[in-house]
Amino acid sequence: EDQVTQSPEALRLQEGESSSLNCSYTVSGLRGLFWYRQDPGKGPEFLFTLYSAGEEKEKERLKATLTKKESFLHITAPKPEDSATYLCAVQAGPNSGYALNFGKGTSLLVTP
Amino acid sequence: DAGVIQSPRHEVTEMGQEVTLRCKPISGHNSLFWYRQTMMRGLELLIYFNNNVPIDDSGMPEDRFSAKMPNASFSTLKIQPSEPRDSAVYFCASSHRALGPYEQYFGPGTRLTVT
Repeated sequence: EDQVTQSPEALRLQEGESSSLNCSYTVSGLRGLFWYRQDPGKGPEFLFTLYSAGEEKEKERLKATLTKKESFLHITAPKPEDSATYLCAVQAGPNSGYALNFGKGTSLLVTP
Repeated sequence: DAGVIQSPRHEVTEMGQEVTLRCKPISGHNSLFWYRQTMMRGLELLIYFNNNVPIDDSGMPEDRFSAKMPNASFSTLKIQPSEPRDSAVYFCASSHRALGPYEQYFGPGTRLTVT
């Protein structure tokens, strides 16, 4: 059975204090690993898709990396507006359809 | 693009009542997904459609839940009768399978409270 585990559950950073969020996964036939950001009262917002080990993607202060067992979301010099819950999800293939299997998320709070 | 549209945004109902949640996917997207989010279980897939056809409904918790997609621009999720344990945020998401990345774009959600 596919499993996605995110750690830590919650993280508090000071503005400018860089850190990383972890997403460990077990899946048969990874089709893609996805990172989403979710603000309170809103739907998840798509950030990145990673397809194969070694791949990296960046967007502003965020960089996502992927290995065969885990993905990291690196946050460089975070700002208060980066505060949100970050969700990781995996999409398996070829027989698992298009469903995303989500982790429970990491709640990030960045204080001024 | 307006994104995925869901209605209502909030629904409060009494146990035993019928609840219907609505979703309009992004124009041109041909896959649609219904999720439920709770503190305890996180985001769970309930059902998804491809080209208006239900593909996998194994996540639908009980026969009280049903979903339809009569055309490419509209889907409903119905709960009848509703129970307090159905209280959650229900999200609809859509994706354009043909374009490859298969990322899903989520609507703002419907917060359902069953008393």
